[in-house]
Amino acid sequence: QSVLTQPPSASGTPGQRVTISCYGSGSNIGSFTVNWYQQLPGTAPKLLIYSNNQRPSGVPDRFSGSKSDTSASLAISGLQSEDEADYYCAAWDDSLSGWVFGGGTKLTVL
Amino acid sequence: EVQLVESGGGLVQPGRSLRLSCAASGFTFDDYAMHWVRQAPGKGLEWVSGISWNSGNIGYADSVKGRFTISRDNAKNSLYLQMNSLRAEDMALYYCAKDSGPFGYGDYGFDYWGQGSLVTVSS
Repeated sequence: QSVLTQPPSASGTPGQRVTISCYGSGSNIGSFTVNWYQQLPGTAPKLLIYSNNQRPSGVPDRFSGSKSDTSASLAISGLQSEDEADYYCAAWDDSLSGWVFGGGTKLTVL
Repeated sequence: EVQLVESGGGLVQPGRSLRLSCAASGFTFDDYAMHWVRQAPGKGLEWVSGISWNSGNIGYADSVKGRFTISRDNAKNSLYLQMNSLRAEDMALYYCAKDSGPFGYGDYGFDYWGQGSLVTVSS
């Protein structure tokens, strides 16, 4: 049972826009910024979005993040086959004094 | 180019110990906090432990508290995880991750990850 709640799966066709949600609480998302990670099959996670909505250098602007109160979302527009991966949200949790992750969302490009 | 290379994983019996290492390069190691994050086979990511730039702030997940010890040697650009009293549920791929800030908590996160070191706990 993850502290941050994500849907286990999401899907879309090439060119579509998909969103992945991440629900937390006041001790994590409600108080701290959210990061998103992309994990392609068989590889290490990669930082995709930091500080709620910032993209590291090299991440396409098709990826965007947002946060409101105790929830966050990752949006992927112009879906491409190479976007098929697992996506995780993460934040610091002050009550647990530790980092918490969502359970991950497996994105399938149909 | 930031590089994080983990080593030290392997097969270990329940109750025994193992020490993971992470060799860092491509950035000023002693400016940043570092973390261990693990992923059990077919499962999601779980933060294990983190250490601030000067080792002054250290944290552990409840699942490993009292059994695992994180440390760093800034002179050697290296991060370590001493794992004692290993259990079957500790079996996972252990990633070394660089923090984007110095303290290991708050409004930062993990901006670079190694490829992982596999720990198998089995009799």
